[in-house]
Amino acid sequence: QVQLVQSGAEVKEPGASVKVSCKASGYSFSSHYMHWVRQAPGQGLEWMGVIHPSGAPRSYAQKFQGRLTLTMDTSTSAAHMELSSLRSDDTAVYYCARDVSGTYDQRTYWYFDFWGRGTLVTVSS
Amino acid sequence: SSELTQDPAVSVALGQTVSITCQGDSLRNTYVSWYQQKPGQAPVLVIYGKNNRPSGIPDRFSGSSSGNTASLTITGAQAEDEADYYCKSRDSSGDHWVFGGGTKLTVL
Repeated sequence: QVQLVQSGAEVKEPGASVKVSCKASGYSFSSHYMHWVRQAPGQGLEWMGVIHPSGAPRSYAQKFQGRLTLTMDTSTSAAHMELSSLRSDDTAVYYCARDVSGTYDQRTYWYFDFWGRGTLVTVSS
Repeated sequence: SSELTQDPAVSVALGQTVSITCQGDSLRNTYVSWYQQKPGQAPVLVIYGKNNRPSGIPDRFSGSSSGNTASLTITGAQAEDEADYYCKSRDSSGDHWVFGGGTKLTVL
């Protein structure tokens, strides 16, 4: 069965960096893009970025440009999300999610069929 | 600000039918996917494509779209359907994805 197992909770000081891992199993890791989504306390879901299994292409949400780095390690079937220059408003649960796409009626669609359980990152001095 | 607009909160009486809507210009040429999220849990996919349900999602969940509006309908809402619901689509640039702001569903 498909599983995305994320690394454990982190506590970081402002200005530091955090790296969250997402280890995939139960499917061909090289066949699916991986997305990262975060959710601040009491807030909605926020898309951060996406990466192809080969490492490229990748796309980042504008607000994370310059601070976010997504990588993939096909040898270990793991995806990694690194966010730098952390601020208190980066405190959130960070999720990885597997991408699937399809076409119907000449309209392409994308969905996230499996999600990790989330990693809480707390930024506090 | 989100390019997909959802009502913040909707309520429904137990056993009745409720629709949750999602509006956005990008929806004219793509399909949204819908996610259910309960407190303290990761989101779960409930509808994707034109109107497809993943294995394990009850058939009381259905999806539809018209113009720039997509809808998630729950026919015969159950107490366990009380949750936050999010729509998601690729944005108008075609290079990014975006979630709606989410709708909190209360089952009375």
